Amino acid sequence: AQTVTQSQPEMSVQEAETVTLSCTYDTSESNYYLFWYKQPPSRQMILVIRQEAYKQQNATENRFSVNFQKAAKSFSLKISDSQLGDTAMYFCAFMKHLLNAGNNRKLIWGLGTSLAVNP
Amino acid sequence: KAGVTQTPRYLIKTRGQQVTLSCSPISGHRSVSWYQQTPGQGLQFLFEYFSETQRNKGNFPGRFSGRQFSNSRSEMNVSTLELGDSALYLCASRSSSGANVLTFGAGSRLTVL
Repeated sequence: AQTVTQSQPEMSVQEAETVTLSCTYDTSESNYYLFWYKQPPSRQMILVIRQEAYKQQNATENRFSVNFQKAAKSFSLKISDSQLGDTAMYFCAFMKHLLNAGNNRKLIWGLGTSLAVNP
Repeated sequence: KAGVTQTPRYLIKTRGQQVTLSCSPISGHRSVSWYQQTPGQGLQFLFEYFSETQRNKGNFPGRFSGRQFSNSRSEMNVSTLELGDSALYLCASRSSSGANVLTFGAGSRLTVL
């Protein structure tokens, strides 16, 4: 069974600085998807970034980028130029690839990292 | 276009009662999934519906059920509520055309007293 581990329950960063959130996962699959979602106090779960395991290039979305290390099963999120609005819970999640999942297309979640951006 | 809409946003029930939560997906999305979020267990998959058929079910007791209508709207029902059912229930919809990205609603916060 797949598992996702986020080893940092809480982190803080000063506004405009860079912070990296860690995520490791365990799977025997060779192809899959990895996601980072953020959940601000409003509770809305928002997709931050998505990575397909067969793509070696790390995904980037504006100030957000990932360091995907497939062999190490590591998927960290880097937030550059942190803003107050980045304050949220950040969840790492795993999903089997469409071709392997059959009907089992559920997200497996880590327990989250609470990030506080301080002014 | 409108996002995923969940109703009600908040509700309070007592033990033994039942509850029905509603989810309207993004227009054109035929897949709807439900997740339970609690401080202790984190996010747990409940079930997924596609074209009115349950495609996958998580490890929850039979008190948890759901259905999907022809317009893709989905409901989930919890019968004989227990204190441990207090949680944020999140609904997500997904497009059938690749991407494999789930878009979430704002959730329904259920408190069982």
